[in-house]
Amino acid sequence: QVQLVESGGGVVQPGRSLRLSCAASGFNFNTYGMHWVRQAPGKGLEWVAVSAYDGSNTHYAESVRGRFTISRDKSENTLYLQINSLRPEDTALYYCVKDLRAYGRTAPFDNWGQGTLVTVSS
Amino acid sequence: EIVLTQSPGTLSMSPGERVALSCRASQSVFGNYLAWYQKRPDQAPRLLIYDASKRATGVPDRFSGSGSGTDFTLTISRLEPEDFAVYSCQQYGSSPPTFGQGTKVEI
Repeated sequence: QVQLVESGGGVVQPGRSLRLSCAASGFNFNTYGMHWVRQAPGKGLEWVAVSAYDGSNTHYAESVRGRFTISRDKSENTLYLQINSLRPEDTALYYCVKDLRAYGRTAPFDNWGQGTLVTVSS
Repeated sequence: EIVLTQSPGTLSMSPGERVALSCRASQSVFGNYLAWYQKRPDQAPRLLIYDASKRATGVPDRFSGSGSGTDFTLTISRLEPEDFAVYSCQQYGSSPPTFGQGTKVEI
């Protein structure tokens, strides 16, 4: 079955960087769009970024554009999120998420990892 | 971006009751591409409904979705103990995809 396992979270100081990873298995990674979604403490879900199924396109939320970079390694079936210039408001549980439909068709998110916690604090 | 407003923020219910959760969009949702997710404590969100009214794989038929345009509803016909959770709507027809703030269904 589909498995998404995030790693790389931790406690970091403001202004520092972090790279999150998501190991994917149980499906053809190269045919599905993949996203990062976060949830700050006591807040709702917030979409962060998407990597198109073939890696050709990426898009970002306004709140993270220019600081976050999403990428994927097709050979390793792994999704990444490089986070630079961390801010306290980036503190959240970060989920790796898969599209329901393949090949870029408009889709909701059908599989979610358990999340990795990023805490930005001095 | 499309803002989704869910109401009410919290609902106090009893097992066996019927509940209807509202999700209102600030503008029409393209293609009625509207989903509902369930979030239990210490668990990942779970897709329940997509394309406004289609049940995701494995979702019990007591869950149903309806609506179009700017007004959508998630209905749970008979609450089971495991249904007490937070429910969030999401539109994915326009970029960026956006979520509502969630409705908590509590005992």
